[in-house]
Amino acid sequence: GQQVMQIPQYQHVQEGEDFTTYCNSSTTLSNIQWYKQRPGGHPVFLIQLVKSGEVKKQKRLTFQFGEAKKNSSLHITATQTTDVGTYFCAGTGNQFYFGTGTSLTVIP
Amino acid sequence: EPEVTQTPSHQVTQMGQEVILRCVPISNHLYFYWYRQILGQKVEFLVSFYNNEISEKSEIFDDQFSVERPDGSNFTLKIRSTKLEDSAMYFCASSDPWGQGGGSYNSPLHFGNGTRLTVT
Repeated sequence: GQQVMQIPQYQHVQEGEDFTTYCNSSTTLSNIQWYKQRPGGHPVFLIQLVKSGEVKKQKRLTFQFGEAKKNSSLHITATQTTDVGTYFCAGTGNQFYFGTGTSLTVIP
Repeated sequence: EPEVTQTPSHQVTQMGQEVILRCVPISNHLYFYWYRQILGQKVEFLVSFYNNEISEKSEIFDDQFSVERPDGSNFTLKIRSTKLEDSAMYFCASSDPWGQGGGSYNSPLHFGNGTRLTVT
């Protein structure tokens, strides 16, 4: 079946540092979505990327979709303690396949 | 803002017992999903449901699982004979097919708060 891997699995950063998580799929994706899950919470939709090479920004967050539509990245500039949580990509082929997630800890 | 609601928030059951997890999707959404998340692990797709039938299911969704939309608002997941390894957080989600980009697989998922199932 489809595999969606994310690296790193865990990331600890000092507040103010940047953070990047990478998402890689074994197959070409129709589109990719990113979700954030706060500790003890449920996944919350952040954004969707559809086009090859697409880049979208939400304030300090920058999302990219690879040219081959098999990988994606999420970059957070100048992390804040409110960024703590696990970030999942979800690739859509015939189903929503969630990635393995990257758990971000921000040290004040 | 409309929400997906799930009940109960925590269910404890003995191995071999049947459990029913309940969800009320957002009212104008047409696609419904169940996912599960074992503590600290990734969100695993179980099943999607549209037009009163299963549209996709994963390898996890075997014969012990079933879903139902018994009326116009509820969406349920039944586990017939629970096993220890069924212990997890179960999330219901729904999507609006006419959302961003159109079509079920282009629409954001709206998740409920989850039901934590503990099988003892």
